[in-house]
Amino acid sequence: KAGVTQTPRYLIKTRGQQVTLSCSPISGHRSVSWYQQTPGQGLQFLFEYFSETQRNKGNFPGRFSGRQFSNSRSEMNVSTLELGDSALYLCASSLEPTDTQYFGPGTRLTVL
Amino acid sequence: EDQVTQSPEALRLQEGESSSLNCSYTVSGLRGLFWYRQDPGKGPEFLFTLYSAGEEKEKERLKATLTKKESFLHITAPKPEDSATYLCAVQVYGGATNKLIFGTGTLLAVQP
Repeated sequence: KAGVTQTPRYLIKTRGQQVTLSCSPISGHRSVSWYQQTPGQGLQFLFEYFSETQRNKGNFPGRFSGRQFSNSRSEMNVSTLELGDSALYLCASSLEPTDTQYFGPGTRLTVL
Repeated sequence: EDQVTQSPEALRLQEGESSSLNCSYTVSGLRGLFWYRQDPGKGPEFLFTLYSAGEEKEKERLKATLTKKESFLHITAPKPEDSATYLCAVQVYGGATNKLIFGTGTLLAVQP
């Protein structure tokens, strides 16, 4: 069974731009969560989706948003990029909420 | 506030030298504790889930244990390929949310 896939793997943007990241969960998994990983803060929860509904959101500004489609694929968007948004963005999927989460390889975002 | 602390931050071992990594937690209600392994530039790889005090799980040279306040990841006779960052995360009660709270990880280096 294929694992979680994330595209693109690498992105370079400049301040003020916006970016969209994509995540395809493991086949059959309906819950998708997003995390931001930085050297200083570690892994921090962004948001969680299940059945196209956002169930929980972490402590991030409104510039961070996401959505989930009917096939469980998910996207996250960051608008008005700041230097501090440079990070590894990780997507994780699980069969149902509260089940074990399996992570994708991440998207490395660099903001110049 | 729910919190997860891992120690040590970094650990250097000789091949074959067994040791333990610690994950202590302060949470309102523990649903599950998860161990992941992360290699540089990759997403976290799931290792174990523990649900109740006294529970133990094993996989090859790794063994995870859980008490009411902490978890240990024991590494027996490690090999250089066990070098990675080991992450501990907790899932807490509070609605049907899948949010994971991560520790900052232990960077393990095993020298031949």
